[in-house]
Amino acid sequence: GAVVSQHPSWVICKSGTSVKIECRSLDFQATTMFWYRQFPKQSLMLMATSNEGSKATYEQGVEKDKFLINHASLTLSTLTVTSAHPEDSSFYICSAEAEGASEAFFGQGTRLTVV
Amino acid sequence: GNSVTQMEGPVTLSEEAFLTINCTYTATGYPSLFWYVQYPGEGLQLLLKATKADDKGSNKGFEATYRKETTSFHLEKGSVQVSDSAVYFCALLTGNQFYFGTGTSLTVIP
Repeated sequence: GAVVSQHPSWVICKSGTSVKIECRSLDFQATTMFWYRQFPKQSLMLMATSNEGSKATYEQGVEKDKFLINHASLTLSTLTVTSAHPEDSSFYICSAEAEGASEAFFGQGTRLTVV
Repeated sequence: GNSVTQMEGPVTLSEEAFLTINCTYTATGYPSLFWYVQYPGEGLQLLLKATKADDKGSNKGFEATYRKETTSFHLEKGSVQVSDSAVYFCALLTGNQFYFGTGTSLTVIP
């Protein structure tokens, strides 16, 4: 199947700093990418949907100024957690799908710990 | 609204044991149903899917049947192996959006 690479797989940062997570589709063009967050023992929750070249659509309750999403090319989307706080510590995972596809492919996820 | 309720783990089984992981859903419309698996250090991988009622998805010895009457999509395998140790996520897709269960961690011991 198609490959989606997410980097880094884990990161520890100090409170107040910003962290960037990359999501790349390695062997297909991803017209749409999705960002999810998972808190311990909870479901994966969709944060935002991004289409290449346009602004991301954020789910209700997700702060767009805190979670900056850029989908500048058909193979790369980035999520930047700005001014991170301990409550932002979570597992973030991206998925990507090609135009017209009925299946999404997931990255391996990023474990963010804010100290 | 749309949601997925999945059996809580962790689940620990001996090799060759029978596996069932329960999954029920609530959805508007006619969703597609999926099981994803996440092996340690890897991304979610599609395990199997079913797109309409009574469809059975199967892969690698795993099976799940889309039951509209009970709104369920339980995952089963007749004889698990150590290599099946992973986290399993039930999900539904409606419109363009996935809804996931909380995931069930499975550990198979020799």
